[in-house]
Amino acid sequence: DIQMTQSPSTLSASAGDRVTITCRATQSVSTYLAWYQQKPGKAPKVLIHRASSLESGVPSRFNGSGSGTDFTLTISGLQPDDFATYYCQQYNSFPYTFGQGTKLEIK
Amino acid sequence: EVQLVESGGGLVKPEGSLRLSCAASGFTFNGYSLNWVRQAPGKGLEWVSSISTNSNYIHYADSVRGRFTISRDNAQNSLYLQMNSLRAEDTAVYYCVRVGTYGSGNRRSWFDSWGQGTLVTVSS
Repeated sequence: DIQMTQSPSTLSASAGDRVTITCRATQSVSTYLAWYQQKPGKAPKVLIHRASSLESGVPSRFNGSGSGTDFTLTISGLQPDDFATYYCQQYNSFPYTFGQGTKLEIK
Repeated sequence: EVQLVESGGGLVKPEGSLRLSCAASGFTFNGYSLNWVRQAPGKGLEWVSSISTNSNYIHYADSVRGRFTISRDNAQNSLYLQMNSLRAEDTAVYYCVRVGTYGSGNRRSWFDSWGQGTLVTVSS
């Protein structure tokens, strides 16, 4: 199985900041990598698919990059609505696997 | 608008059974693969199972293989998860999830639509 490791697990930032979350796979997933945002008590919402493709309706301040085993999610100009937990997920092969999550907190 | 509505969750004793349902609307149901993803209280996301458009391709996580069975009824626009021999570690919110790409086969796809989830609690 492919293991996904995100860092950091928790990130403190202020509105307006630029933050980066990294996701590393134990073997290549090509660009079959998605990023999700989840708020407490809600279902996850996809932000990025195919490593760098912005989902329709998602603000352009979200940017994904990477291929193979190393990926990043960058959020530029943090908005109050962005404070949430973020997950990466590989869908290159079954079993599909998620990272453990990164909680983005208000500093 | 895509809608996925789960039902069937509840409290069940260890070794018991439960059947989850997901009613879908707002899209061509038989054109999309579907999944179940779960989230234990306070924990991360875990993919559980996947079923292709015509049920030809079915996959399970090792943690549920042999105990859970995924199925779908394209005539009823419904997805199901039969859960047997339940364990305390199966306690979680279970989400019904649609993939982002239309079409049949065993193709790779991210998850683009999620239901609100149904809570399954396994406890004596």
